[in-house]
Amino acid sequence: GNSVTQMEGPVTLSEEAFLTINCTYTATGYPSLFWYVQYPGEGLQLLLKATKADDKGSNKGFEATYRKETTSFHLEKGSVQVSDSAVYFCALSRGGAQKLVFGQGTRLTINP
Amino acid sequence: DGGITQSPKYLFRKEGQNVTLSCEQNLNHDAMYWYRQDPGQGLRLIYYSQIVNDFQKGDIAEGYSVSREKKESFPLTVTSAQKNPTAFYLCASSELAGRLVDTQYFGPGTRLTVL
Repeated sequence: GNSVTQMEGPVTLSEEAFLTINCTYTATGYPSLFWYVQYPGEGLQLLLKATKADDKGSNKGFEATYRKETTSFHLEKGSVQVSDSAVYFCALSRGGAQKLVFGQGTRLTINP
Repeated sequence: DGGITQSPKYLFRKEGQNVTLSCEQNLNHDAMYWYRQDPGQGLRLIYYSQIVNDFQKGDIAEGYSVSREKKESFPLTVTSAQKNPTAFYLCASSELAGRLVDTQYFGPGTRLTVL
């Protein structure tokens, strides 16, 4: 079946550190891949996405590349800020109705 | 502004009561979805609908019911049959055609607590 596995959190970094949150997936066919971000007490916001192999999604300094050979979609940012503290979800879409399958989420805390 | 609204933000229910969560969107999206989020876990799909008057069960539909009488509205009822209803409930919507077909947009969520 389709599934998403994220690195376990919580992750704590200092401001301006380099960030990587690992995400691997199992899927039939060629799913689209997403990173969503959730700030405390809020819904999810789309951070970036990629729809085919070797595509790179980017937004707000975050990047992720769709790697079919390693079935991965790791999230990276070169210099994190305190405002990046949130929970990050990796997800893939499946089926004609584009249902999303989510990873368990990774809580990120950035200290000043 | 276009978007998805959910109400109420917080909801308390006594055991044995049914409760209905509201979800409205003005994005003119065809598809709507309900997810459940438990602490430290990802989101799990409860129900989804691709067109008015039609909906399908997701992965954890037991104890829940939905209706889709209008394109912009997709209310979720948590029934007394749901054994562990305390959770954060998120509604989402998406297009079914076009450039953004696979992108879901989320509402702010409703936190349900069973007392």
